[in-house]
Amino acid sequence: SQQGEEDPQALSIQEGENATMNCSYKTSINNLQWYRQNSGRGLVHLILIRSNEREKHSGRLRVTLDTSKKSSSLLITASRAADTASYFCATALDTGRRALTFGSGTRLQVQP
Amino acid sequence: DARVTQTPRHKVTEMGQEVTMRCQPILGHNTVFWYRQTMMQGLELLAYFRNRAPLDDSGMPKDRFSAEMPDATLATLKIQPSEPRDSAVYFCASGLVLKQSGETQYFGPGTRLLVL
Repeated sequence: SQQGEEDPQALSIQEGENATMNCSYKTSINNLQWYRQNSGRGLVHLILIRSNEREKHSGRLRVTLDTSKKSSSLLITASRAADTASYFCATALDTGRRALTFGSGTRLQVQP
Repeated sequence: DARVTQTPRHKVTEMGQEVTMRCQPILGHNTVFWYRQTMMQGLELLAYFRNRAPLDDSGMPKDRFSAEMPDATLATLKIQPSEPRDSAVYFCASGLVLKQSGETQYFGPGTRLLVL
């Protein structure tokens, strides 16, 4: 089964609104990453948060990590039509194995 | 602007044929990953190399799939014989692993494979 599971599976909002996506995982992690995938393209790295960090910002992105709940959230503020994409969380286990396990993704649609 | 390149971008083949996908990782990266993406299964890790040595290929069907890194600038994923259920988008990603840190993975554009 997937290590990371995103919620919701799909999200539709209006331009200018904030979008929040959640990710839950099952085992101890070294870090958690968020990626974006535009239709027909490869994944693009957005942000990495380590297990000893609680919050991280990058431009309009804000990521939180709660290791006690094994969950993370990605907030996109003031969304734009160009933010329309699928967003995936990915976890790197705390075992030295650095391969990422991806969740099933959240499909975000930002209506202009 | 360094990026991961993959060839071919699209491949249509018939069941039973051999398929070879190639990837050029970003120069200086020491890890290479192969993923497969389908609507039903999402993104699945197939193989993982560090410093050209295979670290994990447990996600790969061993009887028909093989992954190699003949040199630091080339990774290959081969399917022989191909089957319709192998139809998917295959992504290569590379990264730089530093001790005790997580690495960002940089994805290629993918090879869209259709096996008829």
